[in-house]
Order: sequence, then C-alpha cells, then structure tokens
Amino acid sequence: DIQMTQSPSSLSASVGDRVTITCRASQTISNSLNWYQQRPGKAPKLLIYVASSLQTGVPSRFSGSGSGTDFTLTISSLQPEDFATYYCQQSYTSPYTFGQGTKLEIK
Amino acid sequence: QITLKEFGPTLVKPTQTLTLTCTFSGFSLSTSGVGVGWIRQPPGKALEWLALIYWDDDKRYSSSLKRRLTITRDNSKNQVVLTMTNMDPVDTATYYCAHSWFGKQGNWFDPWGHGTLVTVSS
Repeated sequence: DIQMTQSPSSLSASVGDRVTITCRASQTISNSLNWYQQRPGKAPKLLIYVASSLQTGVPSRFSGSGSGTDFTLTISSLQPEDFATYYCQQSYTSPYTFGQGTKLEIK
Repeated sequence: QITLKEFGPTLVKPTQTLTLTCTFSGFSLSTSGVGVGWIRQPPGKALEWLALIYWDDDKRYSSSLKRRLTITRDNSKNQVVLTMTNMDPVDTATYYCAHSWFGKQGNWFDPWGHGTLVTVSS
C-alpha cells in the first residue's frame, strides 16, 4: 500500500496568515492527489483534486501543488471558517489511502 | 444535486456482521466514470479508506480489511451495501459513503454522506 504522510500533524495560526501543509507519498503517485477539509462534527469536503484543480465553489485562497511524491496545500489568507482538519488522499492506485490529517487551530 | 445517506445499526456486538446501506440520488452508478466508496473514522482519529465499487462493478478493498469486507450495489434501488464481518470494538467509527468520480488522472470523493456512528460493544 502507498503510505501518505502529512506534516505538520497540527498547526496554530492566526486569521490572515498564509499556511502550507505538506503531504508526502511513499512512492510516486504522479499528480493523483486530493485534499479534503473536515470541520468538527461534519463530513469531509473536497477542496482540491489531481493535485492542483480547485473544486467548484471552493474559495480561491486554497491552492494545491506538487507531483511525484511531494505535495502542498496552501491557504493564502486564513479565514475563521478555515480552522479545521485537512487530509490528503492518493488516488494513483488502490487502496486509495489517506494521510493522517493536519489539524489547523487558532493561535 | 447529488446526495448520499448512510443507514445501518448504531450498535453491534463483537463478532457480529455489520451491514450498512448507502442510499443515493442525483446520479446513476451505471454511468461510466462513477463510483461509490466507503470511508470510516474512529472517534478523534483519521479517515480510513475501506472500499469502492465502480460503474462497471469492479470492486476494490482496503488491504488490511479485505477478508472482512464485501461491497455490492443495487442499481434499481440506487443503493450500495457494505458488509463487515467479525466486528470488534476497534471497528467503532463513523462510517461514510461518498460519490466518486474517475478522471484521467485519478479519482476523488465528492460529495460525502453525513456519516453514521457505529459502536461495537457487548
């Protein structure tokens, strides 16, 4: 199975900050990488697919980049509603594994 | 508008078999490029990918749970069913189903159901 490792596991930041979350795959996955946001008590929501494509309706402050084994999710200017947990997921080969999550908290 | 909802027991006993039903609307599982998957999340922990069924009835499973899982579909009822045998307290989790779309460069889950919490306890 492909292992997905996110860093950091948790992160404290302030409204207006620029934040970057990293996801690393244990083997190359081309650009088959998705990002999800999960707010407390809610189902995950798709933010980014195939590494850098912004899902319809997702604010443009979210962006994704990377290919191969290293990927990043960037939030350009944090808003109060962005404090949540973020997960990456590889869709290169089954089983389509998730990362362990990055919890973004208010500083 | 695509919607999905999970149905099943809230409490199961150890060694029992769990049967979860995902009822969906707004798409057909017969359409090329479409799938439905199951993902779970133990309380306070990360998401875990479980299984996926494709439009052509191809099925994929978690490596660690493969022997315990079965995913099936009923296109006439717009339902996907996941069964998990030999339930254990460590299987206590919120179970989600989600619509999956297959593009040239991968697949992704969108949208998700609200999830259903299943507790395994005697």
